[in-house]
Amino acid sequence: GAGVSQSPSNKVTEKGKDVELRCDPISGHTALYWYRQSLGQGLEFLIYFQGNSAPDKSGLPSDRFSAERTGGSVSTLTIQRTQQEDSAVYLCASSFRSYNSPLHFGNGTRLTVT
Amino acid sequence: GENVEQHPSTLSVQEGDSAVIKCTYSDSASNYFPWYKQELGKGPQLIIDIRSNVGEKKDQRIAVTLNKTAKHFSLHITETQPEDSAVYFCAASRGTYKYIFGTGTRLKVLA
Repeated sequence: GAGVSQSPSNKVTEKGKDVELRCDPISGHTALYWYRQSLGQGLEFLIYFQGNSAPDKSGLPSDRFSAERTGGSVSTLTIQRTQQEDSAVYLCASSFRSYNSPLHFGNGTRLTVT
Repeated sequence: GENVEQHPSTLSVQEGDSAVIKCTYSDSASNYFPWYKQELGKGPQLIIDIRSNVGEKKDQRIAVTLNKTAKHFSLHITETQPEDSAVYFCAASRGTYKYIFGTGTRLKVLA
């Protein structure tokens, strides 16, 4: 079946512009995560959504970052007033349930801020 | 806070040899341990996982072992092939949605 889909795959933007990154999780998966991966680094947790519960936003690095998940499916990560340090690969993952359930990752959006 | 240490950060092996990557976790309540493989330009993909009620799990050339007493778990790849070259991440979870990831191991299989 279809996996997690992210768009765009690449995004180049100028410093100070806003960007929106989209994630389409696997159908039926209730949990959705956003992670950030800087060049050659590990996975940095950003935000977690589960059904209609309040999201865990504890990993968002600043108030320039926000995310929403509409209808329990598609999610959008928005970065306002982008900075060069925001350059990274943004990965979305979904899982069938919220505990002890494998994460299924998309291929990410590579964001470059010039 | 909880963390997962992963070693080595890079590993080069000759094709056909075995590769072992080790992770040590700090949270004794962790009970689920997945391993992910990330190829260049792609997202991490689950290759094997183990739960705390099991000491070892195998899937063809890949195996994972868990030592709860020592709080470490290892990935073993036998008969390595060039397509095994990738970055491997371990992770630990205590039965919630939160995963603690290791820092990754870049495996190079030399032909």
